[in-house]
Amino acid sequence: SQQGEEDPQALSIQEGENATMNCSYKTSINNLQWYRQNSGRGLVHLILIRSNEREKHSGRLRVTLDTSKKSSSLLITASRAADTASYFCATDSQGSGNTGKLIFGQGTTLQVKP
Amino acid sequence: DTAVSQTPKYLVTQMGNDKSIKCEQNLGHDTMYWYKQDSKKFLKIMFSYNNKELIINETVPNRFSPKSPDKAHLNLHINSLELGDSAVYFCASSPPLSNSPLHFGNGTRLTVT
Repeated sequence: SQQGEEDPQALSIQEGENATMNCSYKTSINNLQWYRQNSGRGLVHLILIRSNEREKHSGRLRVTLDTSKKSSSLLITASRAADTASYFCATDSQGSGNTGKLIFGQGTTLQVKP
Repeated sequence: DTAVSQTPKYLVTQMGNDKSIKCEQNLGHDTMYWYKQDSKKFLKIMFSYNNKELIINETVPNRFSPKSPDKAHLNLHINSLELGDSAVYFCASSPPLSNSPLHFGNGTRLTVT
C-alpha cells in the first residue's frame, strides 16, 4: 500500500507561531499534493509539488519534498486562528498510469489558538 | 456557484435499506470520484469515472454501485446498508491528468442505525 503517514496526528499552537506537518509515503511518485479540510467540509487543494521539485511556496505555505527519504513537509508561517483545520498529503503513483488516483495520508489536525 | 455539489448532506437510515447519494460538478471536468472518509478521517478512494467510463474500482463491496449518466454527474447507490457503511462520502472531480488537483464536494454524512 502506498498510504501516506502524517506526523504529528495533532498539533496545537498559538496564533502567530509556525506549524510544521510531515508526510511520508512508500512508493515512487509523480507528484505530492497537500489539502486542507475544515470541520464539516470537503477537502480544498493547497499546493502541488512535482517529484523533480524540492521546494515550493504559496503565500504563507512552504512545501518541501525529499524523494530520497520519501517524505514531504508543509510549513504554515505566522499561523492564524482561521488555519485551524485538518491537513492531508496525497500522492499519486508512478505505477497508476493516468488514472488520477490519489492516496491520502491520515491527516494532521491543527488547532491555532487565538 | 458551487463547483461540486452533493446531496443529501446528511443521511440517516436503518440497516438493510437502499439509499443513493447524488453528485454534480459544473467545472467541465472529465473525471469524477467517490471517496469514503471514516471516523478517524482516513480517506480512501472507492471509484473513479472518466467521461462516464469506470476506470477505478477499489475492491468495494458489490452493494455499492456508481452510476454516471453523463460526465457532469456521478451518483452512488448503496444496497442493503450495513452499520460499517457509516462514514462521510465525498465526491470529487478533476481534469483528466494525473497532476491535476481534486475538487471536492462538502460530503454526505451517512449514519446507519
